[in-house]
Amino acid sequence: SQQGEEDPQALSIQEGENATMNCSYKTSINNLQWYRQNSGRGLVHLILIRSNEREKHSGRLRVTLDTSKKSSSLLITASRAADTASYFCATDKAAGNKLTFGGGTRVLVKP
Amino acid sequence: NAGVTQTPKFRVLKTGQSMTLLCAQDMNHEYMYWYRQDPGMGLRLIHYSVGEGTTAKGEVPDGYNVSRLKKQNFLLGLESAAPSQTSVYFCASSYGTSDTGELFFGEGSRLTVL
Repeated sequence: SQQGEEDPQALSIQEGENATMNCSYKTSINNLQWYRQNSGRGLVHLILIRSNEREKHSGRLRVTLDTSKKSSSLLITASRAADTASYFCATDKAAGNKLTFGGGTRVLVKP
Repeated sequence: NAGVTQTPKFRVLKTGQSMTLLCAQDMNHEYMYWYRQDPGMGLRLIHYSVGEGTTAKGEVPDGYNVSRLKKQNFLLGLESAAPSQTSVYFCASSYGTSDTGELFFGEGSRLTVL
């Protein structure tokens, strides 16, 4: 079974709105990462948050991590049509050396 | 820099045929990975390597073999292709430290097994 599970599976918003997606995981982690995948392309790293961090920002992205609830959220503020993509969380378990990906959230930003 | 390059990008095989997917990275990364992506399943780890000459099994290794003879290359082989191996395959690499940092992905190889 997958370590990370994203929610919702799909999200449709208007340009300018905020998009929030969540990730839950099952076991202790070293870090949690978020990736973006445009249709037909490879994944691109967005942000990494370590297990001892609670919040991290990168441009219009804000990631939170709650290790007590084993969950993370990704917020994209002031969304743009170019943000249309699938977003995946990935966890690096305490044993390390490899990432386990969730099933992804498909985000559609309508102009 | 080219980053992570996968060849071929597309391939159609008949059941029972064999093939090799090649992944090359020019970032001097220690760690390399092969994932497969199926609709609704996210990415699943097939095999990975933490250095030249080493390989390890991931989540779904059956039916695949790998080799890491050179640090920059990671080969994924299918000895006898099956329709269940129809998928998009992604190679990735990372610098490799005490934990798994950022992964750099190739553009994918789409394989269809008839």
